[in-house]
Amino acid sequence: DQQVKQNSPSLSVQEGRISILNCDYTNSMFDYFLWYKKYPAEGPTFLISISSIKDKNEDGRFTVFLNKSAKHLSLHIVPSQPGDSAVYFCAAEAGGTSYGKLTFGQGTILTVHP
Amino acid sequence: DAGITQSPRYKITETGRQVTLMCHQTWSHSYMFWYRQDLGHGLRLIYYSAAADITDKGEVPDGYVVSRSKTENFPLTLESATRSQTSVYFCASSESGTVGTQYFGPGTRLLVL
Repeated sequence: DQQVKQNSPSLSVQEGRISILNCDYTNSMFDYFLWYKKYPAEGPTFLISISSIKDKNEDGRFTVFLNKSAKHLSLHIVPSQPGDSAVYFCAAEAGGTSYGKLTFGQGTILTVHP
Repeated sequence: DAGITQSPRYKITETGRQVTLMCHQTWSHSYMFWYRQDLGHGLRLIYYSAAADITDKGEVPDGYVVSRSKTENFPLTLESATRSQTSVYFCASSESGTVGTQYFGPGTRLLVL
C-alpha cells in the first residue's frame, strides 16, 4: 500500500510560469514532509521541507504548502527555469520509532521548456 | 573526497552470485540508509543504521544484509542475487537530531542477469 502518492508522473511547463507538483499521503502519523530533486545519473538532493505544525514554507522560488485535513502537500516553483527540469520526489517521516525513516512517493518528472 | 560515495557505480552480475555495494561518508553522520529506486515505486528503504553496530530493517529488506562496523561505512550485500534485485541503489546519510534531511550518494546501477 503506497502511503505517499504522486499521481502525476510528469508535468510540462513553460519557462517563467508556475510549476505545481502535488503529493498525497494516507498515514496520519506523518509529521514532517520533504521534497527532493533528482537529475539523471545523480542522487536525490534535498530541496525544501515543512513540519506538520506549519501550512507553508518558502525558500526563494520554492514554496511548499501543507493541507493536513486533506493529507495533501504541493510544491510551487515560481518562476520555473529550464534548470528545474528534473524528477521531484515528495517524502514523509513519522517521527517516534520511525525517526529518520523516509517514505517516498513515485516521483514526478518536471520539464520546463525555454 | 568529502561527501558520500558509492562503489561500484555500475555492476552486472548473475543470478545466485553474492554482490556487495559499498557506501562511504566523510561527515561522521550517525544515520545511514540504503534505498532502491524502481520505476513506479520511487525510492524504497531497504535498511538503515542509527549508529555503528545498530541496524534495522526498512520497507523491503528481504534478500539483503547490512553491517556497520565503522561510522563512515555501510555496505549492502545481496547474498544470492535475483533478477528482481535489478535496480538503482542509493546510499544516504544524515546527522543525528536533524529530522528528515538526508544526503544521497550518486547511486549504483545493478543488473542481475
